[in-house]
Amino acid sequence: DVKVTQSSRYLVKRTGEKVFLECVQDMDHENMFWYRQDPGLGLRLIYFSYDVKMKEKGDIPEGYSVSREKKERFSLILESASTNQTSMYLCASSSIGTGKQETQYFGPGTRLLVL
Amino acid sequence: GESVGLHLPTLSVQEGDNSIINCAYSNSASDYFIWYKQESGKGPQFIIDIRSNMDKRQGQRVTVLLNKTVKHLSLQIAATQPGDSAVYFCAENLLGDYKLSFGAGTTVTVRA
Repeated sequence: DVKVTQSSRYLVKRTGEKVFLECVQDMDHENMFWYRQDPGLGLRLIYFSYDVKMKEKGDIPEGYSVSREKKERFSLILESASTNQTSMYLCASSSIGTGKQETQYFGPGTRLLVL
Repeated sequence: GESVGLHLPTLSVQEGDNSIINCAYSNSASDYFIWYKQESGKGPQFIIDIRSNMDKRQGQRVTVLLNKTVKHLSLQIAATQPGDSAVYFCAENLLGDYKLSFGAGTTVTVRA
């Protein structure tokens, strides 16, 4: 079974702090994704990566950055946390497959509260 | 813009009945569709997928139907159980794109 793990289930940070969210997948997937999930807004893509050291902006990249130094690990960084970044953060991974998009598998999520 | 959406935000179902969750998409170039289930406090879990060259696909107690003519996707759950209570999302992939577009979700509540 595919396993995607996230470093924390719950996190409380203060405004202005630098926050690191870590994601690790064990299926040798090429693609990794970071989403945030808010009530009524569904899942919104922040950033994704299709290879080591490669990254692409998603729909809402402002206020975030990412790092992918190893294939299995994809980090989301909030350079200076703000209260509007309080949310559920979900990491996902997928393989290249036949060259088209394959199923994305999700981690359990990190619920971040910024005070 | 084009997006994936679900017809109803909530669905209440009697235990043992069949459930049907609907999803409409607007991009005829979409190639791949996935249904996810998300239980409270957990990440989305893959249920079933279907590619645009198929009309129907069956899994264990679930069936996904794809009607490309009217750009409609549905998830049928047979003999709904209390453990089926969750939020269900459809997701759409545009051909050649890495990304999925998600609908807002339908909350399914199973009545005992």
